[in-house]
Amino acid sequence: DGGITQSPKYLFRKEGQNVTLSCEQNLNHDAMYWYRQDPGQGLRLIYYSQIVNDFQKGDIAEGYSVSREKKESFPLTVTSAQKNPTAFYLCASSMGGRETQYFGPGTRLLVL
Amino acid sequence: EDQVTQSPEALRLQEGESSSLNCSYTVSGLRGLFWYRQDPGKGPEFLFTLYSAGEEKEKERLKATLTKKESFLHITAPKPEDSATYLCAVQDSGTYKYIFGTGTRLKVLA
Repeated sequence: DGGITQSPKYLFRKEGQNVTLSCEQNLNHDAMYWYRQDPGQGLRLIYYSQIVNDFQKGDIAEGYSVSREKKESFPLTVTSAQKNPTAFYLCASSMGGRETQYFGPGTRLLVL
Repeated sequence: EDQVTQSPEALRLQEGESSSLNCSYTVSGLRGLFWYRQDPGKGPEFLFTLYSAGEEKEKERLKATLTKKESFLHITAPKPEDSATYLCAVQDSGTYKYIFGTGTRLKVLA
């Protein structure tokens, strides 16, 4: 079955630690996105990539980094510079930048 | 500034009691309007895309409509399994960026 997978489902970060969230898709989509979801707020865009080896900052990129070395994969690193990382992180993909976005199951990041 | 407002924030219905959820938007140019369903602790599930005023789409008990300023998600004779948060998003035709509303939490009681 085609779809988007995210791992892990839960992730715990210690102070000063960088952590990486995985996102893989087998839909042959060109564009991939990372969103952050907090209670009472709409989804906010962190980073997006429309093509391999290229990505752009979204609205809240500070404290995050990404890479896009393969079409299927778009990992997100939450760095120690992100002071409030506790949130639900969602990865999405679309055929192109103009098309409907489809979401993965999400990763919940908690701080120890 | 692009903006999406969903109302009500929360809605409780009895099973079989039809109702509508509202999504009002302000965007310089509308590329598309999207409805998603999200269950607790899960990613949003795509429901509908609407592109132009007057367009309607249906899926089982759900029907989405679009005007130049808002969209409605009509739920006919809902069942408890329709309980979820319903998210609306618009895509700006200039930036292709999605702007999400904060959602409507629907609870359908048996």
